[in-house]
Amino acid sequence: EVQLLESGGGLVHPGGSLRLSCAASGFPFSSYAMSWVRQAPGKGLEWVSAISGSGGGTYYADSVKGRFTVSSDSSTNTLFLQMNNLTVEDTAIYFCAKQGRYYFYGMDVWGQGTTVTVSS
Amino acid sequence: DIQMTQSPSSMSASVGDRVTITCRASQSISMYLNWYQHKPGNAPKLLIYTSTTLQSGVPSRFSGSGSGTDFTLTISSLQPEDFATYYCQQSFSTLYTFGQGTRLEIK
Repeated sequence: EVQLLESGGGLVHPGGSLRLSCAASGFPFSSYAMSWVRQAPGKGLEWVSAISGSGGGTYYADSVKGRFTVSSDSSTNTLFLQMNNLTVEDTAIYFCAKQGRYYFYGMDVWGQGTTVTVSS
Repeated sequence: DIQMTQSPSSMSASVGDRVTITCRASQSISMYLNWYQHKPGNAPKLLIYTSTTLQSGVPSRFSGSGSGTDFTLTISSLQPEDFATYYCQQSFSTLYTFGQGTRLEIK
């Protein structure tokens, strides 16, 4: 069974850092691009970042560029999101998602999400 | 960045109704448009990719159409489990963007 399990969320002060993880299983991890998507309280879905299956290509939304870094470890089938200089606007549920066979096929498997709260 | 605009933002309908949600892109995205269903507390679910292709396991009452800048998601006969929020998402650019969502409520 294809599964994604996020972890690493929590409460952090403005200006702080947090590292999210997403453990993948049930599919050849390095063959698929992966994304992070977030949902702020009362808001819609916002794509945050993506990484190619090889890890050679990384992409970021303007709202997080320069503060967040996406990476992956094919030896442990784990996706990461390093979040620095966090602001209250980064408060959200963060989902990891597997891209389809081709990057434009949509995100076909999602984790249940991990909650990040940025507050003083 | 490519902006995605959905309409309506919310709507109410009854079981058995035919429902259409529209999504407009700020520039042509060919057929690189995907639709998701999201229920509170759950993970989003891919319904349709590349405008018209039904994701495996998704009921056939869901269908998608469109190309260029204008797209639609149609539910032919609403079922109780279909009340949720629906999002379009463009994958023409690797800087993906979602629409703001359409909340579908029970009338």
